Amino acid sequence: DAKTTQPTSMDCAEGRAANLPCNHSTISGNEYVYWYRQIHSQGPQYIIHGLKNNETNEMASLIITEDRKSSTLILPHATLRDTAVYYCIVLTTGANSKLTFGKGITLSVRP
Amino acid sequence: EAQVTQNPRYLITVTGKKLTVTCSQNMNHEYMSWYRQDPGLGLRQIYYSMNVEVTDKGDVPEGYKVSRKEKRNFPLILESPSPNQTSLYFCASSLGPAEVYGYTFGSGTRLTVV
Repeated sequence: DAKTTQPTSMDCAEGRAANLPCNHSTISGNEYVYWYRQIHSQGPQYIIHGLKNNETNEMASLIITEDRKSSTLILPHATLRDTAVYYCIVLTTGANSKLTFGKGITLSVRP
Repeated sequence: EAQVTQNPRYLITVTGKKLTVTCSQNMNHEYMSWYRQDPGLGLRQIYYSMNVEVTDKGDVPEGYKVSRKEKRNFPLILESPSPNQTSLYFCASSLGPAEVYGYTFGSGTRLTVV
């Protein structure tokens, strides 16, 4: 049970912003939203995470709705190297903070 | 360079022949974990460890063993591999609870059991 719902795939043009949506309507108040990506069977790569507030780092921005039932990952200037499967994860907190990966969304960046 | 190193990257073995996949991290991380990835099933946790000599089962522990004798190493042991253990395996480590620190993953080990 991945606790998140993402579209299967999307594409965007190189240089444009890529907005990847995620629904997590059953998220609990103390659960974080994490985003990872995986490029062609390589190890998943951490992108960003947040609890309530919007977050930004050198890779991306994370916008979380006020009710926390959905979020959007924004890659501000997508490049061809951003083509990957992106996973939105609601982290199970506690002693074993395991990552439960769903199917993710396949982002294709076109030239 | 801070990293999680798995070996081997590729392995083909026969049913029943014991094997070990090694995992080592150079970041002094306390948390380490093993995942397997299968088409249509996503990544599933096999075992995890919160510190030296502290390990516990994840979601799919059957057929696997682990040990954590040193902080940096977390080997995955398949005592009697079977074809249903053919999969892509990832080791991951974290400084502390993943909700705070996130996980760093290794490059993966592709195991085929014939």
